[in-house]
Amino acid sequence: GDSVTQTEGLVTLTKGLPVMLNCTYQTTYSPFLFWYVQHLNEAPKLLLKSSTDNKRTEHQGFYATLHKSSSSFHLQKSSVQLSDSALYFCALSDLGYKLTFGTGTSLLVDP
Amino acid sequence: EAAVTQSPRNKVTVTGGNVTLSCRQTNSHNYMYWYRQDTGHGLRLIHYSYGAGNLQIGDVPDGYKATRTTQEDFFLLLELASPSQTSLYFCASSERDSAETLYFGSGTRLTVL
Repeated sequence: GDSVTQTEGLVTLTKGLPVMLNCTYQTTYSPFLFWYVQHLNEAPKLLLKSSTDNKRTEHQGFYATLHKSSSSFHLQKSSVQLSDSALYFCALSDLGYKLTFGTGTSLLVDP
Repeated sequence: EAAVTQSPRNKVTVTGGNVTLSCRQTNSHNYMYWYRQDTGHGLRLIHYSYGAGNLQIGDVPDGYKATRTTQEDFFLLLELASPSQTSLYFCASSERDSAETLYFGSGTRLTVL
């Protein structure tokens, strides 16, 4: 079946540094990937979603590129802010009903 | 902005108890979902529905029932609650399917003693 792997459980960074959160996936379908962000005591909400293969998508300073060759959709930002501290989920759609989530990566940004 | 409202926000019950979690969306979305969130597991799909009267089984359905009474309302029922069902539950809706944006409610934290 489909699966999503997020290898880092916790990432701690100092404000202003770049970040990359890893996401790899397995599926037999043509993939459609998402990043959802959940701030403390809030609901998850969409951060960004994939476009075509090797095309970068951006939102709110975050960006990701779908690479079918490596089955990856890593999330990046060039300079993290305190407000970026949150739980980040990578998710894979089968283009039907199912959205398969990874286990999530907590990003903690220090002053 | 799409709106999904869950109630209650918090619920405590005992083992064997009967619990109903409620969800209402005012987005006119067709799809509604129930997820549970547990540390180390992410979000896991319990049940979903693509319209009033429709119900589909998700990935972790054991011990749960659900009912979609109207386009707006989707309920999750735990008829014999167990401590393993202690979790944070999210309802979500989307216009068509999982390739569309999911809009989540604020969650219900359930504790089964």
